[in-house]
Amino acid sequence: GENVEQHPSTLSVQEGDSAVIKCTYSDSASNYFPWYKQELGKRPQLIIDIRSNVGEKKDQRIAVTLNKTAKHFSLHITETQPEDSAVYFCAARPPTSGSRLTFGEGTQLTVNP
Amino acid sequence: DAGVIQSPRHEVTEMGQEVTLRCKPISGHNSLFWYRQTMMRGLELLIYFNNNVPIDDSGMPEDRFSAKMPNASFSTLKIQPSEPRDSAVYFCASSKETMGTEAFFGQGTRLTVV
Repeated sequence: GENVEQHPSTLSVQEGDSAVIKCTYSDSASNYFPWYKQELGKRPQLIIDIRSNVGEKKDQRIAVTLNKTAKHFSLHITETQPEDSAVYFCAARPPTSGSRLTFGEGTQLTVNP
Repeated sequence: DAGVIQSPRHEVTEMGQEVTLRCKPISGHNSLFWYRQTMMRGLELLIYFNNNVPIDDSGMPEDRFSAKMPNASFSTLKIQPSEPRDSAVYFCASSKETMGTEAFFGQGTRLTVV
């Protein structure tokens, strides 16, 4: 089955700096890659996703890039703010898995004021 | 739609007791997932239903865990007997069985077994 690895496990940045979280996946057939944000004590919520037919997607301060050849994708947050502090999860879904997602282990992002 | 609804939000029980967690998926969603989240193991998929049928239960830790989905609007996760190592946050999520659709999570049930 699919295997997703996520790095780093913790990331601390100063407010205003950029943050990058990277994920690799094992199944080259995977075609859907969402990113979820989980604030302390709350549920994971989708913040951005990308499909395999595009290489990059942006939404205000967040962007995701996908390299299908290398089987990795990354989340980029620019101009970080304290409210960006949370755990971020990447995920991948091969077409053979139905709608089941395989999640990475998560990255604890801390934005210091 | 109110989103995925889970109950209870918090459960404290004694070791050996039966625990039942409940989930109501978003109307129209035909895939339902039960996840367990702990600090040590992250977000683990326990079981996945599609059209009320269990598709993959390989993540269910042992026979003490069972899950049912009697209809499209209700699912339960049962632990019997419960053990302290079952303490975790249990999330239910639902999505549509089509390509590239978001999985929506419920608020979770925080289970503490003492």
